[in-house]
Amino acid sequence: GNSVTQMEGPVTLSEEAFLTINCTYTATGYPSLFWYVQYPGEGLQLLLKATKADDKGSNKGFEATYRKETTSFHLEKGSVQVSDSAVYFCALSDRAGGTSYGKLTFGQGTILTVHP
Amino acid sequence: DSGVTQTPKHLITATGQRVTLRCSPRSGDLSVYWYQQSLDQGLQFLIQYYNGEERAKGNILERFSAQQFPDLHSELNLSSLELGDSALYFCASSVRQGAGDTQYFGPGTRLTVL
Repeated sequence: GNSVTQMEGPVTLSEEAFLTINCTYTATGYPSLFWYVQYPGEGLQLLLKATKADDKGSNKGFEATYRKETTSFHLEKGSVQVSDSAVYFCALSDRAGGTSYGKLTFGQGTILTVHP
Repeated sequence: DSGVTQTPKHLITATGQRVTLRCSPRSGDLSVYWYQQSLDQGLQFLIQYYNGEERAKGNILERFSAQQFPDLHSELNLSSLELGDSALYFCASSVRQGAGDTQYFGPGTRLTVL
């Protein structure tokens, strides 16, 4: 079956530090990959996505590249801000055997705290 | 604001009871997904509807059921509630049901079973 594994958290950084959150996946078909962010007390918001190998998703200074050879989709940001403090979820949506219904399989989430 | 609305925001009830959670998708979205978020299980897919028809099922208990109505809103019914059903329940919607389609999440319903 499909699965997503995120790096162990929580992650604590100082403002302007470099961020990497690792994400690897297992899928039976040809997945699309997503990063969602959840701020305290809110629902999930799409941060970025990539739908095929070697695609790079980017948004708000965050980037992730779909690496099929290493089955990875690591999230990076060059300089984090206090406002980036949130929970980050890596997810995949698979298409296999010609069928694609879009359901998301999530990683366990990584709590990011950024201090001034 | 994602455009997806969920009611109620909070729900407190007792074991053995039945509750209904409601979701209104974004205007124009045909697909509705339900997810459960709990501390021990994380975020898990429950069920998906597309234009009124059930299309995919995940780890949904037999005590739970859902439907999507002609106006495309959806309801998730949880019955014979147990303490372990306490969780955040999210609804998400997308235009279609493809693997690459972005899902827009509602703010969630927090269910507490006492």
